[in-house]
Amino acid sequence: NAGVMQNPRHLVRRRGQEARLRCSPMKGHSHVYWYRQLPEEGLKFMVYLQKENIIDESGMPKERFSAEFPKEGPSILRIQQVVRGDSAAYFCASSLFVTGGNTEAFFGQGTRLTVV
Amino acid sequence: GESVGLHLPTLSVQEGDNSIINCAYSNSASDYFIWYKQESGKGPQFIIDIRSNMDKRQGQRVTVLLNKTVKHLSLQIAATQPGDSAVYFCAEEGGNDYKLSFGAGTTVTVRA
Repeated sequence: NAGVMQNPRHLVRRRGQEARLRCSPMKGHSHVYWYRQLPEEGLKFMVYLQKENIIDESGMPKERFSAEFPKEGPSILRIQQVVRGDSAAYFCASSLFVTGGNTEAFFGQGTRLTVV
Repeated sequence: GESVGLHLPTLSVQEGDNSIINCAYSNSASDYFIWYKQESGKGPQFIIDIRSNMDKRQGQRVTVLLNKTVKHLSLQIAATQPGDSAVYFCAEEGGNDYKLSFGAGTTVTVRA
């Protein structure tokens, strides 16, 4: 059973371009979470999705950022008109049920976005 | 402010010695805590977790201690090995909240 797959691993974008980050959860997992990690900091929650639904996007900037988890295919985190401050590692996690208690969230390897 | 934090940003340990990594949290409602290990260029890897109705939990070479009175969490690694070199994060989850709040991390370096 493959783990959480994220691609690309590294992404370089010029200011003003769009960045698309993909996350394929573990097989059978219908809960997806996106986190952002700035250098030498902990991960910060961005958004929680279930299939075709955004459950909580309170950690995601209101502008330029959007996320989806369609019925078929990977979850996508989209950042429009990227700025230098968007440079970070973006991690996706998935779980079989909503996390907490005995339900573990498994993290992917992350996408490292660099805005030049 | 940060609801979860670590006391020391770095820890250097002699191979074979025990490591203790500390974490403080401020949210009294937090009832689930997790330690993650993150190696360079990789995502966080689950190590061990503990619920608030426990004060100690043991895994393979690792022990997590929870002191709810002072809101303190620690991770003990027995007989530290070179492969234990990584950044360690504590994370907490409050009530029915599925969001994990991470501390800034402690970098553990194992000396041969």
